[in-house]
Amino acid sequence: EAGVAQSPRYKIIEKRQSVAFWCNPISGHATLYWYQQILGQGPKLLIQFQNNGVVDDSQLPKDRFSAERLKGVDSTLKIQPAKLEDSAVYLCASSVLQGAKNIQYFGAGTRLSVL
Amino acid sequence: RKEVEQDPGPFNVPEGATVAFNCTYSNSASQSFFWYRQDCRKEPKLLMSVYSSGNEDGRFTAQLNRASQYISLLIRDSKLSDSATYLCVVTLGTGRRALTFGSGTRLQVQP
Repeated sequence: EAGVAQSPRYKIIEKRQSVAFWCNPISGHATLYWYQQILGQGPKLLIQFQNNGVVDDSQLPKDRFSAERLKGVDSTLKIQPAKLEDSAVYLCASSVLQGAKNIQYFGAGTRLSVL
Repeated sequence: RKEVEQDPGPFNVPEGATVAFNCTYSNSASQSFFWYRQDCRKEPKLLMSVYSSGNEDGRFTAQLNRASQYISLLIRDSKLSDSATYLCVVTLGTGRRALTFGSGTRLQVQP
């Protein structure tokens, strides 16, 4: 079974530039998550989708971050304009309920460096 | 106060040692509990779920104390390949199923 696919793997930009990340979840997984992991910290949820609807975006800095999942499959996360503190790994995860359990599978992430 | 707190370590132990990690969570409404493992520059991967009755998977034993809001992971007979960061994770359960991660505890098993 193919895992969660993310691209690009690495991105280096200058502050105030824009950047977009792409995620393709595991086939059939209705729930998709974007997490931000800053060096030395655990991942932090940015946004959660259920199919193409937003379930939770309370921690998404909406003045600069946006995300969409138009057809309920692939998703993109955009940062515009980027700040130095956005340097992090951006992880996409997808999940499906297995009985009472919600097991999340992570992609390899996109490592963003903002200079 | 952080929602999930862990000792960052690092824990440096010799091969064959037994090592224990602890974690506390602040939200008493948390319903699901996990330990994830993250290798350097890799994505987190589920190590095991944690149940109220305690559960074991080979050399790994997880315990949950809901009254104290405390989770533990015990690794017996440590292997070099166990070297990684161990992330304590909770969810609020129904509806909002996103994971809330601790900052992780780094383990280095030495030959």
